[in-house]
Amino acid sequence: LAKTTQPISMDSYEGQEVNITCSHNNIATNDYITWYQQFPSQGPRFIIQGYKTKVTNEVASLFIPADRKSSTLSLPRVSLSDTAVYYCLVGPLGQFYFGTGTSLTVIP
Amino acid sequence: AAGVIQSPRHLIKEKRETATLKCYPIPRHDTVYWYQQGPGQDPQFLISFYEKMQSDKGSIPDRFSAQQFSDYHSELNMSSLELGDSALYFCASSLGSGTVYGYTFGSGTRLTVV
Repeated sequence: LAKTTQPISMDSYEGQEVNITCSHNNIATNDYITWYQQFPSQGPRFIIQGYKTKVTNEVASLFIPADRKSSTLSLPRVSLSDTAVYYCLVGPLGQFYFGTGTSLTVIP
Repeated sequence: AAGVIQSPRHLIKEKRETATLKCYPIPRHDTVYWYQQGPGQDPQFLISFYEKMQSDKGSIPDRFSAQQFSDYHSELNMSSLELGDSALYFCASSLGSGTVYGYTFGSGTRLTVV
């Protein structure tokens, strides 16, 4: 299993772009990179998933360099409601394990 | 849209008792995953099922067992409960191994062992 490393916490002001980087040096060829958001006492919510290069959806972008040893989740113009824990998961489809997430606090 | 349904939402049990948690996946989803999240901790993968067969096993204690039924719902059975089993238990579902849309999680069952 690819081990992931993320910052424990981050602070950002409202309206700013937030980039959360995840390191996964031993990612395997068949591993995907998936990000989830979790609010207290709620189930994790899928944000975005990618394999290589860049993926964008209506809420976020995921940047993956060519060597795939890291990835960056980009949240444009965060709001107070984006305060949550963000998890980077790396693994084959159907075999995702959560590591230690990043607690993002958005400040007014 | 239909989501993953978990029941009960809250459960209080005494030590050494048993508990059964239920999970109803999104219609047409054939894969179910169980996670345990202790207070202030990250979700820990317990077990998963695909087409009613166990597909992957994580850190599930021997005191726990789970199965997926013909209608694809799943039950997590927990026996000889310990205080340390107090946690949020999440169920997630997907179609196959998961698509680019990942898993969909339920709202969880909060188990308190006293």
